[in-house]
Order: sequence, then structure tokens, then C-alpha cells
Amino acid sequence: GENVEQHPSTLSVQEGDSAVIKCTYSDSASNYFPWYKQELGKRPQLIIDIRSNVGEKKDQRIAVTLNKTAKHFSLHITETQPEDSAVYFCAASISGTYKYIFGTGTRLKVLA
Amino acid sequence: GAVVSQHPSWVICKSGTSVKIECRSLDFQATTMFWYRQFPKQSLMLMATSNEGSKATYEQGVEKDKFLINHASLTLSTLTVTSAHPEDSSFYICSALAGRGYEQYFGPGTRLTVT
Repeated sequence: GENVEQHPSTLSVQEGDSAVIKCTYSDSASNYFPWYKQELGKRPQLIIDIRSNVGEKKDQRIAVTLNKTAKHFSLHITETQPEDSAVYFCAASISGTYKYIFGTGTRLKVLA
Repeated sequence: GAVVSQHPSWVICKSGTSVKIECRSLDFQATTMFWYRQFPKQSLMLMATSNEGSKATYEQGVEKDKFLINHASLTLSTLTVTSAHPEDSSFYICSALAGRGYEQYFGPGTRLTVT
């Protein structure tokens, strides 16, 4: 079945440094890839997304890149701040549906 | 826009009882909602897709007789955990499609504890 792998599971960076989280998906027909930020006990919040016809998208300090050939996409956070500390989940749409498969999550800690 | 609420935010129930969780889209109509389950420090696992006016579609391994889903209106879906057991304790989160494509908007979640 469809699968999304996410790495690393934990990531610690110094404030001001960049953070990169990578995901690989198995369904070549997936065409939508959102990234969510989830703080402890809270709802997942959509922070950025990308569709399969786009290779890169940027929103201020956050960017996502997509390599369809390799079936992987990455989240890039620049100039990290302590409030960026959270768990980040990638997801990929399941072809022919609006359903997602989520990655296993990355716990990001930004050290002040 | 695209706000989703859930009620209750947390609930404690005794083993063998049933619990109903409500998911509402507050400022939009949602023909499709999703129910997820999340264990501590784990990812979101899709349980079922809830479609207004039709039966829910359950993911493999999810007992449809245990997790009853009803999507009676364009703004409300309910999940009833029947004959709850301690292993059903989890964080249940709903999401809704806002008709803008693939984006899912999540509710705040319901923490269920079965004693």
C-alpha cells in the first residue's frame, strides 16, 4: 500500500540556523503534499503545501521542494526561532481521493 | 475562514460505555470530513471518511461497528465509540474539506480516556 517515510524523527538546531525535514512517498500518482505543524495537544496546522506540477514553493521563512522523479519532498525552515519548536508532519494525497497518508513526524527543537 | 470545532475537547468514560464526539465546520459547508486517531508521540492514522448523506468509508482494520460515524448535515459529523475499552483511549481528530481542493482543516481534537 501507499507509504510516506519521514526523516529525521528528531532534530535540534540552534536559533537562527536552518532546519530541513525530508519525506519520501510511494504512490507516483500522489499530487498534493501538505506540511503540518502540531504543538503538544493541539490541532495540526497547515504551514505550506505543494502540488505535483510545481517544484518549489516559498512562504517567508518556510519553503518546500518537490522532486517527482525521486518521489521525495522536503521542508526547509530558515532563521529558526524557538516558537518553531513543534512536531512537523508531511503528508501525501492518495491518488483518486482527497485522503492523505501522513509521515511519522519530526520533533523539531530550536535551542535559544 | 475554514474553522473546524470539536466537542468535547476531553472526556473520561468507564469501560463498556459509549462516547459521542462531534465535529463541526463553523463557517463553511463540508460534504467530506475525515476522522483520525493519534496515539502519544505518533502520527495521525486515518480511521474513516465521512460523507454527508451516505455511509462512511472505513480504513482497513477499523471496526465500523465500534466506531460509528454519522454525517447528517453539511456542517456536522459525529463519531461514536461504542462499548469503549481502555485501549480505545486516544486523541481523536477530525478534519474537513472546505471545497477548495485538497486542503484539510483540522479540529482541535478530543482526548478520550477510558477507565
